[in-house]
Amino acid sequence: IAGITQAPTSQILAAGRRMTLRCTQDMRHNAMYWYRQDLGLGLRLIHYSNTAGTTGKGEVPDGYSVSRANTDDFPLTLASAVPSQTSVYFCASSFEEDTDTQYFGPGTRLTVL
Amino acid sequence: ELKVEQNPLFLSMQEGKNYTIYCNYSTTSDRLYWYRQDPGKSLESLFVLLSNGAVKQEGRLMASLDTKARLSTLHITAAVHDLSATYFCAVDTNLDDMRFGAGTRLTVKP
Repeated sequence: IAGITQAPTSQILAAGRRMTLRCTQDMRHNAMYWYRQDLGLGLRLIHYSNTAGTTGKGEVPDGYSVSRANTDDFPLTLASAVPSQTSVYFCASSFEEDTDTQYFGPGTRLTVL
Repeated sequence: ELKVEQNPLFLSMQEGKNYTIYCNYSTTSDRLYWYRQDPGKSLESLFVLLSNGAVKQEGRLMASLDTKARLSTLHITAAVHDLSATYFCAVDTNLDDMRFGAGTRLTVKP
């Protein structure tokens, strides 16, 4: 792989189910991020990680959790999905946390019914 | 709370014309980013502006940052159809306070 990948590409999920969105980068970037994109609202930061082993909350963290066991992977988990979590989710990474370009993955379109 | 406002939200322009997209933000920051997004696609980084007075240019796009006015501009020169996309600015003061504007949907018509 080259760059940053996300899986699945899209998913339809019943409310109440647990779901993990996967994100992997092979650029050895220190920082990784999860955003959701909703029409008319731009992107909103859900969680971030400065480096492996550390995570932090963004603007809209409720209902989501993340882990960063290693440099390459940054999964996002919805413990019990609700319809308001229907969105397009983008993972991103950057070498440095706040002065560097963020590279975005292709996105995961999630629909919660 | 950091707020980021872009205007216009929708912009339709003729090929060959010039126009400017504005990005205002509500609190002190010297880090501002511009991204492009094509329909159904991911975001692509255009510019990273890291200091007051920073100006960067790539092709027909030029971005500038005035941290005192809390304003960034994205200027389009002699627009072409290929520039049709949605453009986002983003500002951060701390890593957990990254804010995106709502985006400007640009359509360039022949």
